Amino acid sequence: GQQLNQSPQSMFIQEGEDVSMNCTSSSIFNTWLWYKQDPGEGPVLLIALYKAGELTSNGRLTAQFGITRKDSFLNISASIPSDVGIYFCAGQTYLNYGGSQGNLIFGKGTKLSVKP
Amino acid sequence: KAGVTQTPRYLIKTRGQQVTLSCSPISGHRSVSWYQQTPGQGLQFLFEYFSETQRNKGNFPGRFSGRQFSNSRSEMNVSTLELGDSALYLCASSLETPGGEQYFGPGTRLTVT
Repeated sequence: GQQLNQSPQSMFIQEGEDVSMNCTSSSIFNTWLWYKQDPGEGPVLLIALYKAGELTSNGRLTAQFGITRKDSFLNISASIPSDVGIYFCAGQTYLNYGGSQGNLIFGKGTKLSVKP
Repeated sequence: KAGVTQTPRYLIKTRGQQVTLSCSPISGHRSVSWYQQTPGQGLQFLFEYFSETQRNKGNFPGRFSGRQFSNSRSEMNVSTLELGDSALYLCASSLETPGGEQYFGPGTRLTVT
């Protein structure tokens, strides 16, 4: 089945640093979504990407939909303490057009922690 | 607009019992998807409902079932619970268009003892 490889698995950040993470797949996706999940909560949608090559920003977050449609990356600039959490990428393939949509395939997540 | 709501938030059940979880989507959203999240397997797709019909299903045993009502609210049921069913069960809603953004609820934390 379809799988997403998300890296890095974890990373430590110091306030003010830029952060990068990415997801790759052997399959093509029509949509890439990036989520953040805090402990005890559901994932919160950060950015949605719909076209190959698309670059989209949401405040300090920037994400890109890879040209091959098999990868995506997320950058966080000038990190702050509240950026700590687990970030997930998710790819979606349409089953067919005309109202149907595919399920989300998730990466295993990138855990952001504060440097001790 | 209110977000996706799920009830109950926490549940403790015994092996062999069954459980029903509820999800109310964002107003106007007609698609509801269910996911299971565990530390080992991550987030895995269970099924998706649209207009009271199951439109897509993941690789879970038949003990996992769901339904959707005419007001788009959805329930999922797990029968004959096993220890391995302990997980965070997440519901996500989206508009009917293909590739729509999915918005998640807070989840129901199920513990099977």
